[in-house]
Amino acid sequence: GQQVMQIPQYQHVQEGEDFTTYCNSSTTLSNIQWYKQRPGGHPVFLIQLVKSGEVKKQKRLTFQFGEAKKNSSLHITATQTTDVGTYFCALPNNFGNEKLTFGTGTRLTIIP
Amino acid sequence: DVKVTQSSRYLVKRTGEKVFLECVQDMDHENMFWYRQDPGLGLRLIYFSYDVKMKEKGDIPEGYSVSREKKERFSLILESASTNQTSMYLCASSSGSGYFLGGGTYEQYFGPGTRLTVT
Repeated sequence: GQQVMQIPQYQHVQEGEDFTTYCNSSTTLSNIQWYKQRPGGHPVFLIQLVKSGEVKKQKRLTFQFGEAKKNSSLHITATQTTDVGTYFCALPNNFGNEKLTFGTGTRLTIIP
Repeated sequence: DVKVTQSSRYLVKRTGEKVFLECVQDMDHENMFWYRQDPGLGLRLIYFSYDVKMKEKGDIPEGYSVSREKKERFSLILESASTNQTSMYLCASSSGSGYFLGGGTYEQYFGPGTRLTVT
């Protein structure tokens, strides 16, 4: 199966600091999705990126798809306690079905 | 709102028991998925189904089987539970049957999860 490296595995930040997680694929992707899982909760879809070099924003969250469509990042500006959780990237497969391969996730904790 | 429900939030079973985990979605989605989630390993796909009675193995199918007799219901079966199957099990569903226009993939909607402990 395809390799999905997501770094870092854990990130502790002071409230108000920025946070970034990176997702790297060994293969070129048609798209990439991002999900957030709150502690004790289930993954919830955040966004999908499709175009090379695409940048999308959701309030303080900025999502970027690499030019070569092999990597992606999620950046949070001025973190808040509501940002706590684990962020997963999810990659499609190359066989035309709806399977996703999830990255190992980055767990964000906020120090108030 | 899409709703995906799972039969139990917590389940404790003994080694060797047959275990059924049920998942129901109410949005007429074609695709349904079973994942297990373990610390440091993310979500790993066990099986998925793209239509009634149709199934495909995921990355870790050993020790599991599935059943999809109705479109809205997808069951995960542990034929003989073992302690290494202690985990959080998540069900998900998604619409569609292939890439939609523009190269995207349908988002997945997850249930609340079942934390299974096998003793």
